[in-house]
Amino acid sequence: ETGVTQSPTHLIKTRGQQVTLRCSSQSGHNTVSWYQQALGQGPQFIFQYYREEENGRGNFPPRFSGLQFPNYSSELNVNALELDDSALYLCASSRITGGVDTQYFGPGTRLTVL
Amino acid sequence: AQKVTQAQTEISVVEKEDVTLDCVYETRDTTYYLFWYKQPPSGELVFLIRRNSFDEQNEISGRYSWNFQKSTSSFNFTITASQVVDSAVYFCALSEAQTGTGTASKLTFGTGTRLQVTL
Repeated sequence: ETGVTQSPTHLIKTRGQQVTLRCSSQSGHNTVSWYQQALGQGPQFIFQYYREEENGRGNFPPRFSGLQFPNYSSELNVNALELDDSALYLCASSRITGGVDTQYFGPGTRLTVL
Repeated sequence: AQKVTQAQTEISVVEKEDVTLDCVYETRDTTYYLFWYKQPPSGELVFLIRRNSFDEQNEISGRYSWNFQKSTSSFNFTITASQVVDSAVYFCALSEAQTGTGTASKLTFGTGTRLQVTL
């Protein structure tokens, strides 16, 4: 148990719709990262939030956006869904204390876009 | 750019066999961190180990051991006396040193090695 939770577990949407995925970080962690994992692939970094500010972004278009709240929970929003957005979305929480942080992952949300 | 290569797509072993999972990485950073994660069928990535680039001491934890060799840019993972519960996908990942706000400590993952342990 990592203490990181995500909701919902599964989600089915149609192309063009918008979706919001939620993550609750481990207590005391000030950083949340989101990853997209396509079937049979390794997770790909979407972005990271540190103290409610975006702290870095991977190679994903602006229709992927996020929020981090004062209680360190966070959201991933995806607009104008495309078929290729079908994947497992993982959030990871960590505490940056200098040098490196270890990211602890939640169970993921499996998104299917039809 | 950082890159992690896990050349073994899938490995099948019989219980109690030893198995080594290979990981080769590329980075221009002089300070970096290497990780291994396990992903069982449930989907959650489970953290196993973290190593610093300046610490090449190998590590043993129970049935798990890690061999970090900077000269060959490899960070291999060995499971001794494998068990059925070890069946999962294993990911090697690389992260640069986080130098302060504005620098995301993103993980760059390999494509994973699926380990199947049978009776």
